[in-house]
Amino acid sequence: ETGVTQSPTHLIKTRGQQVTLRCSSQSGHNTVSWYQQALGQGPQFIFQYYREEENGRGNFPPRFSGLQFPNYSSELNVNALELDDSALYLCASSIGQGRIPGSSYEQYFGPGTRLTVT
Amino acid sequence: DQQVKQNSPSLSVQEGRISILNCDYTNSMFDYFLWYKKYPAEGPTFLISISSIKDKNEDGRFTVFLNKSAKHLSLHIVPSQPGDSAVYFCAASGGSQGNLIFGKGTKLSVKP
Repeated sequence: ETGVTQSPTHLIKTRGQQVTLRCSSQSGHNTVSWYQQALGQGPQFIFQYYREEENGRGNFPPRFSGLQFPNYSSELNVNALELDDSALYLCASSIGQGRIPGSSYEQYFGPGTRLTVT
Repeated sequence: DQQVKQNSPSLSVQEGRISILNCDYTNSMFDYFLWYKKYPAEGPTFLISISSIKDKNEDGRFTVFLNKSAKHLSLHIVPSQPGDSAVYFCAASGGSQGNLIFGKGTKLSVKP
């Protein structure tokens, strides 16, 4: 069973640029959630995709956007990068949304992408 | 306003003894709780979970206790091993969105 993978591992961008981060979900999982983890903090929810549709969003501005593909992999796009966007970006996959029969609350995380904005 | 709080940033325990990590929450809508372990340069790893209809869940050396009236949960690790040294995050799920809400984490150091 393949776990959650993310690419790239590290990335350095300049303020104002745009970035795309990628995630492949664990085999059999149809839901992907993205989190931002700043230094010394716990992961903060950005948004979740279920069956290719956004299924919930945290307190992040519209310049954070995403996609989920038919194979359940996902992208996180951030436009107009700001210095405060420097963080570890985590992708997590799960089965369903934890609210419907057959789904699960447990989310399984990838290793993350470390984004530095200068 | 933090809905999930881990008030101890760090904890140091001797190998073989019990480690107790604590977590408090404020939102009574939370109905499922999880603990994750995180090593440096890795993503969080799921450890153990508990539904709000239970007050205890056990998996090997790890036991999670839930006190709903106090809005408090704890993770017990017995016996503690040096390989348990990591940052432990408490997370809660509830409401219409399927997201997890995390505490800031507790860094556990288990000394040989």
